[in-house]
Amino acid sequence: QSALTQPASVSGSPGQSITISCTGTSSDVGNYNYVSWYQQHPGKAPKLMIYDVSNRPSGISNRFSGSKSGNTASLTISGLQAEDEADYYCSSYSSSSTWVFGGGTKLTVL
Amino acid sequence: QVQLQESGPGLVKPSGTLSLTCAVGGASINSGNWWTWVRQPPGKGLEWIGEIYHSGSTNYNPSLKSRVTMSVDESKSLFSLKLTSVTAADTAVYYCARSGSYRFDCWGQGTLVTVSS
Repeated sequence: QSALTQPASVSGSPGQSITISCTGTSSDVGNYNYVSWYQQHPGKAPKLMIYDVSNRPSGISNRFSGSKSGNTASLTISGLQAEDEADYYCSSYSSSSTWVFGGGTKLTVL
Repeated sequence: QVQLQESGPGLVKPSGTLSLTCAVGGASINSGNWWTWVRQPPGKGLEWIGEIYHSGSTNYNPSLKSRVTMSVDESKSLFSLKLTSVTAADTAVYYCARSGSYRFDCWGQGTLVTVSS
């Protein structure tokens, strides 16, 4: 069970859009629509932002959206704001009833 | 509003056993959800440790399976984690979370456990 692959860092200016990729295998991302995304500010617990590939929990801005193609899922944040600066993690359900996280991506808002 | 609160020793000696509990408030522990442990070493990413159902069924991370035991106490509305034979590599912030409907939708604040003599 290997971690999902995410870019270590991405950056963007306020108002711009960024996309974070999350690449897995046919045993996790490619086989299940149970991909979720979490935002984590320093010293805080992760917060669910996207579930089931593209669904937003109540209270999450529609600036956050998710998608999936094959073994790769993506999180897009549009209209970047300063408060979006955080670490982002993807997660996927995997074979044998286990879960796997991505290595995390640090988003910097320039 | 579901609240989760981790508790346990912040310092464990090498080769010892790490023991943590997670108190569940605002929801029934037998509400059809799985209850999860996730850890995060300092400066590193999240790692799924495992999950437990109120019936006692468990799923563990294969890389930790030989050292992990989870249990649930419905009467006290809490679930627990035991990790044996710990080393410095087990130093991390440990989070408990609710894994309802295939997502981790509620998290505790986390507790730092340091493995050191």
